[in-house]
Amino acid sequence: GQNIDQPTEMTATEGAIVQINCTYQTSGFNGLFWYQQHAGEAPTFLSYNVLDGLEEKGRFSSFLSRSKGYSYLLLKELQMKDSASYLCAVRHTFNAGKSTFGDGTTLTVKP
Amino acid sequence: GAGVSQTPSNKVTEKGKYVELRCDPISGHTALYWYRQSLGQGPEFLIYFQGTGAADDSGLPNDRFFAVRPEGSVSTLKIQRTERGDSAVYLCASSSGLVLAGELFFGEGSRLTVL
Repeated sequence: GQNIDQPTEMTATEGAIVQINCTYQTSGFNGLFWYQQHAGEAPTFLSYNVLDGLEEKGRFSSFLSRSKGYSYLLLKELQMKDSASYLCAVRHTFNAGKSTFGDGTTLTVKP
Repeated sequence: GAGVSQTPSNKVTEKGKYVELRCDPISGHTALYWYRQSLGQGPEFLIYFQGTGAADDSGLPNDRFFAVRPEGSVSTLKIQRTERGDSAVYLCASSSGLVLAGELFFGEGSRLTVL
């Protein structure tokens, strides 16, 4: 079966650093994605990891450990606009195909 | 177009009625997906097209749900005999279909409310 776990909610302060964890147990793995979704809007792509290690992109970084079924999204220098839901998703097949999403972590950034 | 376009943005219908939701993907994207998202949950996979054919329809909940993509571009999700439990935001996404550039580009969604 497919199982993706993320914390439901997190709160952090503007300017701080926050780490959002994701653990997964899925049948088939061909990459892990992080998406950002503001309330009432469509999810937008943040990062992609298929090999173990850290991928850095500006203020956002994502880490993957395939052996542990674990990923995290690291957000630095938090801004108020970073308040959103962060979705972890695992792609199952080699080509572009089905992805299973977690239920998302709602991050609230406070001044 | 510039992004994935979905119509209608909102649809209110009565239990038992038939509805169609349309998705116009990013030009040139061969892969198209339908997901369903309920409040407080992540998107739930319904069906995936590669070109005109449904490559994986394992997420369709039952035979009341059907989707087509006759010319490999626009897709229509069809729901027969709607039930209150079908109420959700139906998200369409497209991707280039390549292995490495596989991120999904989502539309704004069609919010379906079944009374």
